[in-house]
Amino acid sequence: DGGITQSPKYLFRKEGQNVTLSCEQNLNHDAMYWYRQDPGQGLRLIYYSQIVNDFQKGDIAEGYSVSREKKESFPLTVTSAQKNPTAFYLCASTRPNVRQPQHFGDGTRLSIL
Amino acid sequence: AQSVAQPEDQVNVAEGNPLTVKCTYSVSGNPYLFWYVQYPNRGLQFLLKYITGDNLVKGSYGFEAEFNKSQTSFHLKKPSALVSDSALYFCAVRGGNTGKLIFGQGTTLQVKP
Repeated sequence: DGGITQSPKYLFRKEGQNVTLSCEQNLNHDAMYWYRQDPGQGLRLIYYSQIVNDFQKGDIAEGYSVSREKKESFPLTVTSAQKNPTAFYLCASTRPNVRQPQHFGDGTRLSIL
Repeated sequence: AQSVAQPEDQVNVAEGNPLTVKCTYSVSGNPYLFWYVQYPNRGLQFLLKYITGDNLVKGSYGFEAEFNKSQTSFHLKKPSALVSDSALYFCAVRGGNTGKLIFGQGTTLQVKP
C-alpha cells in the first residue's frame, strides 16, 4: 500500500544533541512538508519542499534543518538550537496541484531526557 | 493574511444526534478548504474538501460540510454521531500556489453513548 512512513515513533533527545526524524513516502508525490503539533495550537509548518534539492522555511524553521536529496525522503533534523523541541512531529506529502489533499504519516513524538 | 478559526475547543454530542463542528476562514481569492480527523497518537486523515461547485460536500465516514461564501464558513456536519467519531478535527485552508495548508487550532469531538 502507498503511504508515508515516519520513524521512529518515539524519540528522546539529550541536552545539546541533534536528532533526525525520518519521513519516507512511496506515493510519488513531489511536495513534502514537516509540521509541529503542540496541544491546543494546531499544526505549524516547519519546512516544505516542492521539488528535489529545494526546500523553503515555514513559519517556525528556527532550530530545525532539512534535506531533500531524493523524491521519496525528507528527513528533519532537530538541532540543539531548538530549545523547546518536545512536540509531535508530522510529515505530509501531496501532488503539486493545490486541489489535492495532503497525506500524513503517523508522526514522531519527541521528548527531552 | 490567510487564517482559519475553529471557535470551539470541544463539542459534546450524544450518540445518534446530529453534530456540527464549526470553521470560519479568511483568504484572498478562491478558498480551497479541507477537513481532517486525528485519532490519538496518529497522523491526520483526510475527510473531505471544497474546491468549487456544490456548497454541500460529502466525504468519508458519513461526514459532510457546508460551504457558505457570504459567512466565510465551512462547517463539518454528520446527521447521526457515533461514539467512534470521537477525535480531534482540523479545518484547513490552502494558501497560494505552494500547497501549504493553514490549520485551525482543532476541535475535540466527544460523542457519548
